[in-house]
Amino acid sequence: GAVVSQHPSRVICKSGTSVKIECRSLDFQATTMFWYRQFPKKSLMLMATSNEGSKATYEQGVEKDKFLINHASLTLSTLTVTSAHPEDSSFYICSARPSRTGSGYTFGSGTRLTVV
Amino acid sequence: AQSVTQPDIHITVSEGASLELRCNYSYGATPYLFWYVQSPGQGLQLLLKYFSGDTLVQGIKGFEAEFKRSQSSFNLRKPSVHWSDAAEYFCAVGAPGDSSYKLIFGSGTRLLVRP
Repeated sequence: GAVVSQHPSRVICKSGTSVKIECRSLDFQATTMFWYRQFPKKSLMLMATSNEGSKATYEQGVEKDKFLINHASLTLSTLTVTSAHPEDSSFYICSARPSRTGSGYTFGSGTRLTVV
Repeated sequence: AQSVTQPDIHITVSEGASLELRCNYSYGATPYLFWYVQSPGQGLQLLLKYFSGDTLVQGIKGFEAEFKRSQSSFNLRKPSVHWSDAAEYFCAVGAPGDSSYKLIFGSGTRLLVRP
């Protein structure tokens, strides 16, 4: 079945530094990938839609200069949290949709980001 | 734009009892509907999905869900709950006419299972 690998699973960084999170589709090509943020005991909030070869589409209220998304190939999307602050600490999850229509969405295992 | 509501924040059932988790959606046509399960600190696992056709959908781990257009609902059911089913359950909706293919999630229902 479709597998999405997300790395790292946990990361701790200092305030002001940048962190990159990778999302890879292992056995399928993903035209579109999605990045979600999940606060403790809360639902998933869609941050942005990442389209291969084009700019990401950000949801309202998400700072595109802070959360940089790159989708350079059909199997890899990256989310970079720039100049991280403690309030950016959260659980980030990516999902990918296979290129063929009618398929479901597969989620990565998530990344726990802690900014100290 | 589509939206989804899960009215129950948490539900507690006894092991072996039946389960129904509610999900209501808002969308102008028939949406894509999904149920996902999340264990603490983990990603999401797809339980089942509905795109079209038979309104009763079978999923993994003995779960099923029924799409009811008249009620704009897609409730998740299981006839006999196991202790390992304790987790957070999310209903999600996608819009077939939306080229972005994004999913919108409900707020989730936490399932607790009594021994």
